[in-house]
Amino acid sequence: NAGVTQTPKFQVLKTGQSMTLQCAQDMNHEYMSWYRQDPGMGLRLIHYSVGAGITDQGEVPNGYNVSRSTTEDFPLRLLSAAPSQTSVYFCASTSGSRGYTFGSGTRLTVV
Amino acid sequence: DQQVKQNSPSLSVQEGRISILNCDYTNSMFDYFLWYKKYPAEGPTFLISISSIKDKNEDGRFTVFLNKSAKHLSLHIVPSQPGDSAVYFCAASAIGGNNRKLIWGLGTSLAVNP
Repeated sequence: NAGVTQTPKFQVLKTGQSMTLQCAQDMNHEYMSWYRQDPGMGLRLIHYSVGAGITDQGEVPNGYNVSRSTTEDFPLRLLSAAPSQTSVYFCASTSGSRGYTFGSGTRLTVV
Repeated sequence: DQQVKQNSPSLSVQEGRISILNCDYTNSMFDYFLWYKKYPAEGPTFLISISSIKDKNEDGRFTVFLNKSAKHLSLHIVPSQPGDSAVYFCAASAIGGNNRKLIWGLGTSLAVNP
């Protein structure tokens, strides 16, 4: 089925560990973004990309890196995990019609 | 400072009745507004949108109304169904900036009771 695929669905990390959250879309969307959702905070933009090779920071980029080597993939890297990064992470893509398609999320716990 | 505000964290409605979810914004540069629905353990799903050149947009049971002078929009669901029980997010994007960057409200949890 066409859409946005995120892996893993759940992850537990120890403080200081690094990991990559994967995101892939098969709709040939140019625009992709990463959000985190925390209780009482709504959805906050971490990083976004307007096309392959182009990325930019959102509201809360610290502690995260991204790259966009292909149109399909937009991985999010946690460099040195901290408890403050415990959250639910959503990847989303759009063709520019402003209606986003979201992945099902990655629930990350940092202990 | 919250630029998109959903002041009601929760709403409970009887099946068959109208659900009205409200959203206020402070930035007069916003020109496009969207509503998303989110079920637990799933990503948000796009529901309906409206451009600032319109004051109403309708899609089946869902209608969004925009009052630019009041900086207020509302989502009406008629008739409400138990499957509509979810968290509803209002989001907005601004003129001139990257129009794919959305500013989100905190959401309203809707419960439709059978």
